[in-house]
Amino acid sequence: QKEVEQDPGPLSVPEGAIVSLNCTYSNSAFQYFMWYRQYSRKGPELLMYTYSSGNKEDGRFTAQVDKSSKYISLFIRDSQPSDSATYLCAMARKAAGNKLTFGGGTRVLVKP
Amino acid sequence: EPEVTQTPSHQVTQMGQEVILRCVPISNHLYFYWYRQILGQKVEFLVSFYNNEISEKSEIFDDQFSVERPDGSNFTLKIRSTKLEDSAMYFCASYVQIVETQYFGPGTRLLVL
Repeated sequence: QKEVEQDPGPLSVPEGAIVSLNCTYSNSAFQYFMWYRQYSRKGPELLMYTYSSGNKEDGRFTAQVDKSSKYISLFIRDSQPSDSATYLCAMARKAAGNKLTFGGGTRVLVKP
Repeated sequence: EPEVTQTPSHQVTQMGQEVILRCVPISNHLYFYWYRQILGQKVEFLVSFYNNEISEKSEIFDDQFSVERPDGSNFTLKIRSTKLEDSAMYFCASYVQIVETQYFGPGTRLLVL
C-alpha cells in the first residue's frame, strides 16, 4: 500500500463550482498535513497546512483532516479558471520540518 | 514576500558529467531540503540539512549526491556523475519552526543526455 494516495484526475468543473480534493494515507505517524498547488513545470506553492485533526479555512480554501480515517480533504469554493493546476497533498511526521511525503497530485481544470 | 530562489532554471548535461544546482533559501530559515520530481511522477524527498549537516536522506541520495552550504546564503546539491535517470525537476525547500511548513523554490529542470 502506498503511503499517500491521491486520485490523479483530471477533475473538470465549471467556474464557480466547489472543487473537492482528497488524499488517504496509511502511516498513522503523520501529524502535519499540507496542500500545495503546482502549475505546470513550476515549484509547489503552499496553500494550506493543518496540524493533527480538524478544519482550517483560509478565504476560498478549507482543509479538513480526519486522522481516525486517515483521510484529508481540500475544498475550493467559487472556483476560478486560475485555480486550474495540480494539487498536491503532503504529510510529515513529528514536525513539519521532517521530510514531506507527497501524494501524486490531482489535476484540476476549471472551465469558464 | 521572501521566497526560495534556484539557479539555473534549466540545465542540460552529458551523462557522466558533474552538475551543481544552487539554491538561496529564505534568509531566517534554518532547515533546508532537496526534493526531485521525475516528469509525471510524485515529488520525492532527497535530503534534509540542518546545522551544517545532513539530518535525513532517502535511498535515492546515494554516494553520487552531496549537499553543501558553502556560505551563509547558498545551499547546493552536487551530482558527481550524472545518469540518464537523474533527469528530473529538482526543488529546494526551506523551513523555520515559527511557520510550520516548508517553502519551495521554482525548481531546476535537469536533463541528462
